[in-house]
Amino acid sequence: AQSVTQPDIHITVSEGASLELRCNYSYGATPYLFWYVQSPGQGLQLLLKYFSGDTLVQGIKGFEAEFKRSQSSFNLRKPSVHWSDAAEYFCAVGARGGGNKLTFGTGTQLKVEL
Amino acid sequence: ETGVTQSPTHLIKTRGQQVTLRCSSQSGHNTVSWYQQALGQGPQFIFQYYREEENGRGNFPPRFSGLQFPNYSSELNVNALELDDSALYLCASSRDSTGPQDGYTFGSGTRLTVV
Repeated sequence: AQSVTQPDIHITVSEGASLELRCNYSYGATPYLFWYVQSPGQGLQLLLKYFSGDTLVQGIKGFEAEFKRSQSSFNLRKPSVHWSDAAEYFCAVGARGGGNKLTFGTGTQLKVEL
Repeated sequence: ETGVTQSPTHLIKTRGQQVTLRCSSQSGHNTVSWYQQALGQGPQFIFQYYREEENGRGNFPPRFSGLQFPNYSSELNVNALELDDSALYLCASSRDSTGPQDGYTFGSGTRLTVV
């Protein structure tokens, strides 16, 4: 069964600082990997996704993520955080070849200090 | 292109009652999935509908059921509501059922409170 771990429940960064949110997954083969962002009272917005190929994936809003097979990780990064990035971030894994569900981590709440 | 719309946005029900939540999928999408997000948790997969048939189910009891209509919209029905059913219910649509490779488009959710 697939699973996702987001070790950091809360992270606080200063505006303009760099950001890295951690995600580790468990899956028997190369999975589909996603990062979503959720603002208060809102649904989930897709930031980026990885299926195959280049292990460094670019997304919206200046975010990127790197797939590291050896570490079973898919960490999200941003070089310079903006106050509007404050939100909850979810990493998710999807199975290949059937099994249509996404399995989400418990999320990381990002706070941005001005 | 319209996104995924869910209704209602909020509702309060009493334990033991039944509830129906509705979802209109994004234009061009034929697959709808439902997720339950309890407070402080990540979304959990309830089930998926494709071509009006259930196409995968998570670890939820049979009192959670659904429908998909010919226009690809969907309903989630929950019978015999329990206090633990209080959550944000998210609907997500995608283009086909062969896998999540396209990602899903999520609606803003329905906040259900059971008292």
